[in-house]
Amino acid sequence: DAKTTQPPSMDCAEGRAANLPCNHSTISGNEYVYWYRQIHSQGPQYIIHGLKNNETNEMASLIITEDRKSSTLILPHATLRDTAVYYCIVRASSNAGNMLTFGGGTRLMVKP
Amino acid sequence: EAGVTQFPSHSVIEKGQTVTLRCDPISGHDNLYWYRRVMGKEIKFLLHFVKESKQDESGMPNNRFLAERTGGTYSTLKVQPAELEDSGVYFCASSPQSGGPYEQYFGPGTRLTVT
Repeated sequence: DAKTTQPPSMDCAEGRAANLPCNHSTISGNEYVYWYRQIHSQGPQYIIHGLKNNETNEMASLIITEDRKSSTLILPHATLRDTAVYYCIVRASSNAGNMLTFGGGTRLMVKP
Repeated sequence: EAGVTQFPSHSVIEKGQTVTLRCDPISGHDNLYWYRRVMGKEIKFLLHFVKESKQDESGMPNNRFLAERTGGTYSTLKVQPAELEDSGVYFCASSPQSGGPYEQYFGPGTRLTVT
């Protein structure tokens, strides 16, 4: 699976949009971009995933560049409960059983 | 729909003792994974079951760790004998079995402390 690079930490004001970047310059054509987060003392939580097109769900939006070498997770109106470590993970879809490879992630601090 | 559950939530044992962690996946999920995070490190994959079969156990650190999934339902992870470096949080996850980019659903984890 392709390696990802994320900033170690970011701050965001409550109510504002949080934009979390991820670089995955070696991504292959069959690899999806996944985002998970881990809120303190909880298990990782799935947020969203995408292949080429931008995706949106009730939690977030995922913007993938045209060359697929980077992406941005957008939390449109961050709340204090969004404070967590956010992981960008690239994984092939050819086998639904593939493990997830977690990096260091981005520690997002949402401040009042 | 019930999520992934893990038992116990915390366990404190002495070095050399045995501990068994249990994971109950989401009903109907054939894929079951174990991960762990040791202090200060990243979350690492341990192994993957498809039903009762071990699909990938490349992440198991050594033969002190034994995972089972009899009947393809719940899974247990036994550490025997436990060492200090085994301390950490052990996560279980499950996903449905079929082609496609299915997400994994994680349990709350078991915090293991070996003293």
